[in-house]
This record gives sequence, C-alpha cells and structure tokens, in this order.
Amino acid sequence: GQQLNQSPQSMFIQEGEDVSMNCTSSSIFNTWLWYKQDPGEGPVLLIALYKAGELTSNGRLTAQFGITRKDSFLNISASIPSDVGIYFCAGRSYSGAGSYQLTFGKGTKLSGIP
Amino acid sequence: DSGVTQTPKHLITATGQRVTLRCSPRSGDLSVYWYQQSLDQGLQFLIQYYNGEERAKGNILERFSAQQFPDLHSELNLSSLELGDSALYFCASSVAPLYTGELFFGEGSRLTVL
Repeated sequence: GQQLNQSPQSMFIQEGEDVSMNCTSSSIFNTWLWYKQDPGEGPVLLIALYKAGELTSNGRLTAQFGITRKDSFLNISASIPSDVGIYFCAGRSYSGAGSYQLTFGKGTKLSGIP
Repeated sequence: DSGVTQTPKHLITATGQRVTLRCSPRSGDLSVYWYQQSLDQGLQFLIQYYNGEERAKGNILERFSAQQFPDLHSELNLSSLELGDSALYFCASSVAPLYTGELFFGEGSRLTVL
C-alpha cells in the first residue's frame, strides 16, 4: 500500500524558533495536506495543496507541494507554545468508483522545551 | 468544535469482548470515515461510507465491521477484542468523498482492552 515517510518523528522547539518538517512517498499524490492534532483532540486541517510546486501560507505556516508530487514540506516560523502537538502530512489519491483515499504519515511530534 | 460527535470517549473492556463505537457526522456531511490511531502506527484508515454505502476499505480486520445508517450516523463494531486493539478510534466526515481532501475529525474514542 501507499506509505508516507514523515520526518523528523519528534523534535523539541523553543519559542521563537523556526521549525521544518517534511513528508516523502514513493507514490504520486494529487493533493497534499497538513493536519495538526492537539492532545485529546482529533486532527484539524492546517493547509491543503492542490498543484505540484504550489507554495501556500496560513499565518506563520508555509507548506509546499513538491514538483515530483511525491513530497511536501511544512515550515512554522517563530514558533509559540501553542504550536506543540502532532503534525500529520496526508496525501490524497484516487481509489476508484468516484472515491478518493487519504493516506497519513506517522506524524511529527513537536514538544516544547520546559 | 468540528461538529463530529463520537461516543463513548473512553471505554475499558476485556479480551474477547465486543464493543460498538458511535459517530454522528457534521450536519450535511454524507461521508463518514473510521481511523485507528495507535502509538507507533499513526492514523490507519479502516473504512469509508458515503450516504449509507461502503465506499472504501483500508486495513480493517475481519473482526471489525461498520455501517452507516439512513440518518447518516455510523457505528464501528469491534469483536473478539485483543490487547492489540487498544487504540484511539477516530471518526471523520466530509460533504463528499474527499473531493478537497478535508476531513473533520471527532475527538475520538479511546479503547483499552485489558
């Protein structure tokens, strides 16, 4: 099946730092998405990318859809305490019969340095 | 609040038992998806329904089954439970089958099998 390799698996962040994470796959996706999961909550969509090469921002978050359609990255600038959580990349692909499938990476856990 | 309601929030049961998890999608959403989240595996897609019909199947065990009712709520049935079934089970919904890739997740049902 399709697999997404997300890295890093975890990282500690200090307030004000910039953070980068990425997602790669051996499969091509026609949409890349980034979700964030806060403790005790379900994932929430942050950014969706629909075209290869597309660069999209949402506040301090910037994400890009790789030219090969097999990768994507997410940057968080000037991190703040509420940025901690688990970030998931997801790739959307057509699964037939008018349906699409969403494949998730295993997540990047951002923790704050106490 | 995503608008997706899942019950129960927590469930503790014994091996060999059967449980039912319930999901009410966002008002107007016709598609329902079930995901399993374990510590090491990220979000694993189980099954998708659209307007009462099964649309896609992921890594769902034969001991698990699901259905979507005419009022669009969905139930995930887990039987002959094993220790390894302990996980967070998420329901998500969307208007149509992932045309944009955006899913709205509930807060999850945490299942503990002892």
